[in-house]
Amino acid sequence: DQQVKQNSPSLSVQEGRISILNCDYTNSMFDYFLWYKKYPAEGPTFLISISSIKDKNEDGRFTVFLNKSAKHLSLHIVPSQPGDSAVYFCAAGSMRNAGKSTFGDGTTLTVKP
Amino acid sequence: ETGVTQSPTHLIKTRGQQVTLRCSSQSGHNTVSWYQQALGQGPQFIFQYYREEENGRGNFPPRFSGLQFPNYSSELNVNALELDDSALYLCASSLTRQETQYFGPGTRLLVL
Repeated sequence: DQQVKQNSPSLSVQEGRISILNCDYTNSMFDYFLWYKKYPAEGPTFLISISSIKDKNEDGRFTVFLNKSAKHLSLHIVPSQPGDSAVYFCAAGSMRNAGKSTFGDGTTLTVKP
Repeated sequence: ETGVTQSPTHLIKTRGQQVTLRCSSQSGHNTVSWYQQALGQGPQFIFQYYREEENGRGNFPPRFSGLQFPNYSSELNVNALELDDSALYLCASSLTRQETQYFGPGTRLLVL
């Protein structure tokens, strides 16, 4: 049973518009959530995280929203740029040890010029 | 500061063989985690090493084993390879268990 799900395998947006990537989880014990970006032939790169005590975290163009009651988080990218085109993974785990996180299957974002 | 490196980049083995994959952590990082990423899926946690001791394991059989050395480089060993072991194997290191992970580019293993 998959504990972290990214239901949209792909997303295409126009440059300058907002990209919204979604993630659902089932395990109530998760207290730390992360987003990673992955380019081809590279390992995932940490993007942004949020702990369960918050409902929003911002870092430049990237904002992550957490809805604990719905067990849902989303990543907003505003404005989207062609360089943002990559696979985005949502991960969930414990704040005490991010290395043991459970990953979703990823969403491929394409930003068109 | 050098990043996380992995070797080899690609590998082809046959069923039943054994394989060793290597990871060189970022300087000073005492924690390394290994992941298996099958095609079209997200990385799946195999195990973690912290200061040379195994510190947690995912849902993988004992034929997946590892080592972490005093210089914090590490190995992933897989015995009795199966076709389903074909995947990208990623290692990630962090300064401590709570800190951000930095991933290597991965080793792509093909089992025929």
